[in-house]
Amino acid sequence: AQTVTQSQPEMSVQEAETVTLSCTYDTSENNYYLFWYKQPPSRQMILVIRQEAYKQQNATENRFSVNFQKAAKSFSLKISDSQLGDTAMYFCALVNTGTASKLTFGTGTRLQVTL
Amino acid sequence: GAVVSQHPSRVICKSGTSVKIECRSLDFQATTMFWYRQFPKQSLMLMATSNEGSKATYEQGVEKDKFLINHASLTLSTLTVTSAHPEDSSFYICSARGGYDNQPQHFGDGTRLSIL
Repeated sequence: AQTVTQSQPEMSVQEAETVTLSCTYDTSENNYYLFWYKQPPSRQMILVIRQEAYKQQNATENRFSVNFQKAAKSFSLKISDSQLGDTAMYFCALVNTGTASKLTFGTGTRLQVTL
Repeated sequence: GAVVSQHPSRVICKSGTSVKIECRSLDFQATTMFWYRQFPKQSLMLMATSNEGSKATYEQGVEKDKFLINHASLTLSTLTVTSAHPEDSSFYICSARGGYDNQPQHFGDGTRLSIL
């Protein structure tokens, strides 16, 4: 069984600043995918970024980037130039290949972007 | 692309009523769909996985007869909460995925179910 741990229940960042959300995971598989999803107050789950475990290069999507450390089983999300619209719950998730794509979610980090 | 539509967004009904929630993939074929339940300020809890044309696979502790899932086509899955009671009140979210393991799940907007 795999686990995903997000040790920061809540975080706050000022607009235009940079914030990093932590995520660690555990899996016995070698092939897997990692995701960050965002859930704003509207409750819709939005894919922010994804990383294939076999790729060494860290994924980047505009202001969002990850620091993927496979040996340490760490997958942190960095948000640069934070915007008010980034205020949301952020979930880290893992899926092993060959397990019918069942996502294992972390408990989430609530991010508040302030003026 | 990769839009998933979930309907209705909110349901309020009396205890004992059965409620059907639809999940549609609008611009891709969803070989696999997932149904989640989310309690306030908590993460998503997977209820079941459904593949088109076959019976759903339920997670441990989820009652099959209570939560009926049908995945009749590559673009539609339905969740029916039968004889709903107040403890079934929750936020239900579906997601859909295409045919390859490396494709992410795309989520619907969720349904808030309130049983009086």
